[in-house]
Amino acid sequence: QKEVEQDPGPLSVPEGAIVSLNCTYSNSAFQYFMWYRQYSRKGPELLMYTYSSGNKEDGRFTAQVDKSSKYISLFIRDSQPSDSATYLCAMSYTNAGKSTFGDGTTLTVKP
Amino acid sequence: DARVTQTPRHKVTEMGQEVTMRCQPILGHNTVFWYRQTMMQGLELLAYFRNRAPLDDSGMPKDRFSAEMPDATLATLKIQPSEPRDSAVYFCARSDGTSGSPLHFGNGTRLTVT
Repeated sequence: QKEVEQDPGPLSVPEGAIVSLNCTYSNSAFQYFMWYRQYSRKGPELLMYTYSSGNKEDGRFTAQVDKSSKYISLFIRDSQPSDSATYLCAMSYTNAGKSTFGDGTTLTVKP
Repeated sequence: DARVTQTPRHKVTEMGQEVTMRCQPILGHNTVFWYRQTMMQGLELLAYFRNRAPLDDSGMPKDRFSAEMPDATLATLKIQPSEPRDSAVYFCARSDGTSGSPLHFGNGTRLTVT
């Protein structure tokens, strides 16, 4: 079993929809939780970064971490066609240490 | 621009040939990672360096892969000899090591071994 499991998708939603992307993990030692967005033929780029449990909001994006359930989520409000990409969750034990990634969820937002 | 530059962007080679992938500039940011991405396995960590010293290369097949930092602004990943199963996209990423620092990825080298 992988340390990080991500809902596989793919997801296809209409423009304006609320999107929920989710990951679970098995190792309680993870302290740092990230979401990366990857466009086709590009490298992943950091979208959200959270330390320990709680919520973090940045514009249309909200990241949630529930360490008691070993579950993290990324919510996208008012989704746009430009949000169409693969979203990767990632976790690490220590700051600036190696990150373990989920397999990614591919999202398509249709106009 | 926080991204690193990877070269070449695409590489097609025959089985048994040596492949060298480059990542620059690192600009003094002290932690450098090499990841491999495939449809089947997703993003896998191959190796990472801190201050040019290898910290963990347990993800690399050491009989054929080697990762180095020849100087403070260049990281290289070599495969010799290459095999078809090495076909993947190889990403370099850096971290500046400060509190809350994320990974900054390059756009990858797409390797095809025939």
